[in-house]
Amino acid sequence: AQSVTQLDSHVSVSEGTPVLLRCNYSSSYSPSLFWYVQHPNKGLQLLLKYTSAATLVKGINGFEAEFKKSETSFHLTKPSAHMSDAAEYFCVVSEGDGGGADGLTFGKGTHLIIQP
Amino acid sequence: EAGVTQFPSHSVIEKGQTVTLRCDPISGHDNLYWYRRVMGKEIKFLLHFVKESKQDESGMPNNRFLAERTGGTYSTLKVQPAELEDSGVYFCASSRRGAGDTQYFGPGTRLTVL
Repeated sequence: AQSVTQLDSHVSVSEGTPVLLRCNYSSSYSPSLFWYVQHPNKGLQLLLKYTSAATLVKGINGFEAEFKKSETSFHLTKPSAHMSDAAEYFCVVSEGDGGGADGLTFGKGTHLIIQP
Repeated sequence: EAGVTQFPSHSVIEKGQTVTLRCDPISGHDNLYWYRRVMGKEIKFLLHFVKESKQDESGMPNNRFLAERTGGTYSTLKVQPAELEDSGVYFCASSRRGAGDTQYFGPGTRLTVL
């Protein structure tokens, strides 16, 4: 069975400083990993996706994530936070054809707060 | 390309009533998924359609929930009768391929059962 742990429910940073949102996963197979973002009163938007091509994945709006198999981690980073980054971020895993339920498995979400 | 749409955006009903949620996937996406987020919890998978067939409904909480996808286009999720614990946000997602493919989400329907 697959699972996702987002280690922080809230992260607060100052505008212009780096962002780090932490995620650890558990999967029996070679997973696909995603980060989604949800801005207030909006739907879920895909930030980036890891399959198996490259361990460092670049996404939209300057975000990137690094897949580390040895640490079972997929942390999301951004060099410089912007006020518009304030939102809730979800780390997500899919086992694909590896078995288990067809749907995605979500972490509990991390609220990113940007201080002016 | 139009995204996934959901209707209504909000629904407030009383316990024991029936509610039907609708999802229109991205055109050409055979795979359609329903998810739910109840207050304070993570987003949970409910079920997966491939065209009009239920591929996986392991996440459906009980038999008060009925999902359909007639003709393999839009889908409905009916809750009958609604209970207080059914309150939450119901998301729909679609993808062109199945397992591991990127799922595109709708804005969700916020259901409140009083």
